[in-house]
Amino acid sequence: AQTVTQSQPEMSVQEAETVTLSCTYDTSESDYYLFWYKQPPSRQMILVIRQEAYKQQNATENRFSVNFQKAAKSFSLKISDSQLGDAAMYFCAYSMNRDDKIIFGKGTRLHILP
Amino acid sequence: EADIYQTPRYLVIGTGKKITLECSQTMGHDKMYWYQQDPGMELHLIHYSYGVNSTEKGDLSSESTVSRIRTEHFPLTLESARPSHTSQYLCASSPLGATNEKLFFGSGTQLSVL
Repeated sequence: AQTVTQSQPEMSVQEAETVTLSCTYDTSESDYYLFWYKQPPSRQMILVIRQEAYKQQNATENRFSVNFQKAAKSFSLKISDSQLGDAAMYFCAYSMNRDDKIIFGKGTRLHILP
Repeated sequence: EADIYQTPRYLVIGTGKKITLECSQTMGHDKMYWYQQDPGMELHLIHYSYGVNSTEKGDLSSESTVSRIRTEHFPLTLESARPSHTSQYLCASSPLGATNEKLFFGSGTQLSVL
């Protein structure tokens, strides 16, 4: 069965600094999708970034980028120039290409220090 | 902001009561999902639907039931609530067609059963 592991329950970063959130996953599939979702306190969960496994190029969305290491089954999220609004729970997620069900990790709570 | 709405936002009820958690979306999405999330834990898929009259059980066994009579509406019902049902329930939707489209989430219902 596929699993998603986030080994950092909580992290803190100084405002304007860079932080990297870790995620590893386990799958026997060769084609799949990976996601990072953000859940701000008392607000809706939103998609931050998405990576297709068949693409070697790492996805980037403004200040958010990923380091996708397919062989190592690693999918870390880098947040550059951290802002107070980045404080949230961040969930790494996985989905098989032929199955729409998305499997979530336990999340990492990110604190931004002013 | 995603046009997906959940009501109520918070619900405190006594054991044995029947409850329905409402979820509606105005985006015309065929796919809808219910996730259960305990504090500091990952999201677990409990029900999903690919369209009207389509409902499936998710990976986590749940005593709740769902219905999909209209595209925009995907309510979740607990016939007899118990303290073990205390949790946050998140509704999500995504369009049919392209696989692995991002999920749009509602704000969630925090259920407490006394």
